[in-house]
Amino acid sequence: SYVLTQPPSVSVAPGQTARITCGGNNIVSKSVHWYQQKPGQAPVLVVYDDTDRPSGIPERISGSNSGNTATLTISRVEAGDEADYYCQVWDSSSDHYVFGIGTKVTVL
Amino acid sequence: EVQLVQSGAEVKKSGESLKISCKGSGYTFSDYWIAWVRQMPGKGLEWMGVIYPGDSDTRYSPSFQGQVTISADKSINTAYLQWSSLKASDTAIYFCARLDGDEGDGFYFDPWGQGTLVTVSS
Repeated sequence: SYVLTQPPSVSVAPGQTARITCGGNNIVSKSVHWYQQKPGQAPVLVVYDDTDRPSGIPERISGSNSGNTATLTISRVEAGDEADYYCQVWDSSSDHYVFGIGTKVTVL
Repeated sequence: EVQLVQSGAEVKKSGESLKISCKGSGYTFSDYWIAWVRQMPGKGLEWMGVIYPGDSDTRYSPSFQGQVTISADKSINTAYLQWSSLKASDTAIYFCARLDGDEGDGFYFDPWGQGTLVTVSS
């Protein structure tokens, strides 16, 4: 089955840029979606179809996808961005939904 | 506003049965797949299965096939997740989510229910 690889943690100072990677075999051929989950809350979709943002998600959050790596970028990081971030794809060959292990973003 | 509202927290003993629910509103419930996702304590998200309430077509993750049953009642806009015999290892938060997207661009989960905490004691 398809596997997504994320770093367990990323630390970033306020005002700087956080980049969260999501690796997968030829992941560029798939649409990658990203979720933010704060402690005690349900996940929230922040990027879908590699680069699109749902309404209400700030422009500081963006996504990209190339080769074997998709990336979620959070610019001008704020304390409120501290959360777990998960990437997800739909594997059409198996009709399975796959999540990465999640990356904990810590704002220093 | 599209919304999914789940049933409340449950505390059960090993061997007991359980059925939790997820009620949709703000859209045509029959027209969208509903997914169930498990999150064990301190762990990540695991896809369990999906159901299309329009015709009750159901697909399971191999990890959960035979362990749970997913169903839906479109007349009351509600999807269900049930266990016939709970184990302590079923202790987790269970989320429902609506599937959006298409086969061309892939499917994603939006929105999510608030989650149902299931605690199973041995």
